[in-house]
Amino acid sequence: AQKVTQAQTEISVVEKEDVTLDCVYETRDTTYYLFWYKQPPSGELVFLIRRNSFDEQNEISGRYSWNFQKSTSSFNFTITASQVVDSAVYFCALSVSQAGTALIFGKGTTLSVSS
Amino acid sequence: EAGVAQSPRYKIIEKRQSVAFWCNPISGHATLYWYQQILGQGPKLLIQFQNNGVVDDSQLPKDRFSAERLKGVDSTLKIQPAKLEDSAVYLCASSLEGNREGGFEAFFGQGTRLTVV
Repeated sequence: AQKVTQAQTEISVVEKEDVTLDCVYETRDTTYYLFWYKQPPSGELVFLIRRNSFDEQNEISGRYSWNFQKSTSSFNFTITASQVVDSAVYFCALSVSQAGTALIFGKGTTLSVSS
Repeated sequence: EAGVAQSPRYKIIEKRQSVAFWCNPISGHATLYWYQQILGQGPKLLIQFQNNGVVDDSQLPKDRFSAERLKGVDSTLKIQPAKLEDSAVYLCASSLEGNREGGFEAFFGQGTRLTVV
């Protein structure tokens, strides 16, 4: 069975702090995809990144970076120099080819950034 | 480019009533998903369509939920009769997929917030 665990329910930081959101996944498939989505108060899920299981290179996009480690089945997300606009719920998700293409989501981490 | 459109945005109904939600995916997207998001949880797949065929409806409570995607474009999700535990946000998403390899990002609508009283 496939599963995504986001152990951090809520995180509160002050602006300019760095913050890491943890994601641990479970799957027996060798081909899979990992995603991060942001859900601001408006409710719409916004795509942030996709990673396939064969690409363990870390990625940086502006203040965002992702660390994918197959050895620990983790796909962690770091926001550097956080801003108030980063306040949202962040979801990690998994997609496996053998089970169609739908996303299996974690429960999400609520990030609150105060000024 | 227009995003995924959903209506209505909000709906309040009494238990045992019926309700329908509508979704218009991004033009050209073959795959359409309906997810249910209960407060404080991540979205859970209800049904996945590839064009107008059902790929996965294993988590759809078929005794009360139904969905269709006529002509492979718009989709409707219906609940009849509704229960209190159906209170949730119903999210529609679409993605570009011509096969089952997966890995294409899904684009989500703003959702319909259903409250059953």
